Amino acid sequence: QVTLKESGPGMLQPSKTLSLTCSFSGFSLSTSGMVVSWIRQPSGKSLEWLAAIDWDGDKYYNPSLKSRLTVSKDTSNTQVFLKITSVDIADTATYYCARSELGARYYFDYWGQGVMVTVSS
Amino acid sequence: DIQMTQSPSSLPASLGERVTISCRASQGISNNLNWYQQKPDGTIKPLIYYTSNLQSGVPSRFSGSGSGTDYSLTISSLEPEDFAMYYCQQDASFPLTFGSGTKLEIK
Repeated sequence: QVTLKESGPGMLQPSKTLSLTCSFSGFSLSTSGMVVSWIRQPSGKSLEWLAAIDWDGDKYYNPSLKSRLTVSKDTSNTQVFLKITSVDIADTATYYCARSELGARYYFDYWGQGVMVTVSS
Repeated sequence: DIQMTQSPSSLPASLGERVTISCRASQGISNNLNWYQQKPDGTIKPLIYYTSNLQSGVPSRFSGSGSGTDYSLTISSLEPEDFAMYYCQQDASFPLTFGSGTKLEIK
């Protein structure tokens, strides 16, 4: 059974660095074709893909945020991390991680429940 | 970036009704179009991949079609649990992008 779960600070101040963790089970990111992405959704708005990391350690970023994003994974291949530097109010959103298997390209077949992050002074 | 335009943004419908949601890409995406359902609690469920392939466990009343730049999601007979938000997503090229969403609501 594949599950993903996001965790984060809940609230942080503008200009700080947001650190998020996606912990998953039921698959390994060392398996060929596996990819984990980060996607966010401000309240009442649509979804925005942020970044992805694949089984080979290759990383992909949304150019609109690339300079502020860093995606990484742990050596056990059961967690993926996302850091967003210099956050501001516009980064307030629910953040999701999701899995893809490259046989279906970047179709997200499993999603976490999401973690809400509020940027406020 | 490939822009995804979804319509309508809101769709009032009745139980048992057949509905269609449209998604248009700003350029051809070669059937690399996926659909998701989001419930009010934020839970996101995958529905359809590569235009018309049903995710395992998704009821057969859901179907997808399209080609080139124009795609659609059809629900043949609405059930109570179908009233939710729906999003399309292209994975033809990076950055991956989503439509603006369609809120399917009870008439």
